[in-house]
Amino acid sequence: SAVISQKPSRDICQRGTSLTIQCQVDSQVTMMFWYRQQPGQSLTLIATANQGSEATYESGFVIDKFPISRPNLTFSTLTVSNMSPEDSSIYLCSVEDPPGLRSGANVLTFGAGSRLTVL
Amino acid sequence: AQSVSQHNHHVILSEAASLELGCNYSYGGTVNLFWYVQYPGQHLQLLLKYFSGDPLVKGIKGFEAEFIKSKFSFNLRKPSVQWSDTAEYFCAVNADSSNTGKLIFGQGTTLQVKP
Repeated sequence: SAVISQKPSRDICQRGTSLTIQCQVDSQVTMMFWYRQQPGQSLTLIATANQGSEATYESGFVIDKFPISRPNLTFSTLTVSNMSPEDSSIYLCSVEDPPGLRSGANVLTFGAGSRLTVL
Repeated sequence: AQSVSQHNHHVILSEAASLELGCNYSYGGTVNLFWYVQYPGQHLQLLLKYFSGDPLVKGIKGFEAEFIKSKFSFNLRKPSVQWSDTAEYFCAVNADSSNTGKLIFGQGTTLQVKP
């Protein structure tokens, strides 16, 4: 499966500031996915990022709050804007495994996540 | 709205005990079903999946899961757990054929296996 690197792995941020999370994949992928895991809760899809087009956001998530860039087929960034304590979460980048791998297509590989704490 | 429910939030077992983690989903159409596992300090990784065919699927490390369509369930089982199975387990469903990366996750179950 793909190898995903996320930076930063963790950060402590002040209320009102913004932070950009980077996701680097070791292979070219069409779509990249950004998930959020709030403390004690499940993972929730924020948006799907296609290269060369605007990201598609899920209900409850908006571009002004979570702008996403996808400049090429191996890289994406997610910015958490104007942060509040409610944004304290783990943010995970993921990609689909390509067809032909033992895991099969339509299986997600996840990065290690970026743990953000907003004070 | 689609949802996934995992019945057990925290399970504690002794080694060699049998394990069954419940998972139910709310969607009447075609679904792809997954169990992911996150070992302490590691990435979330795939344990097993069901797309079609035999409803009893086998995954890594001796885990299996059974898809029962009539019950909207996809329970995870292992006949004899080991200390190394201590982890958090997530059930997930994809019900959107236009976006196969969109998974709906359950709340997760923390499994603690005592040596």
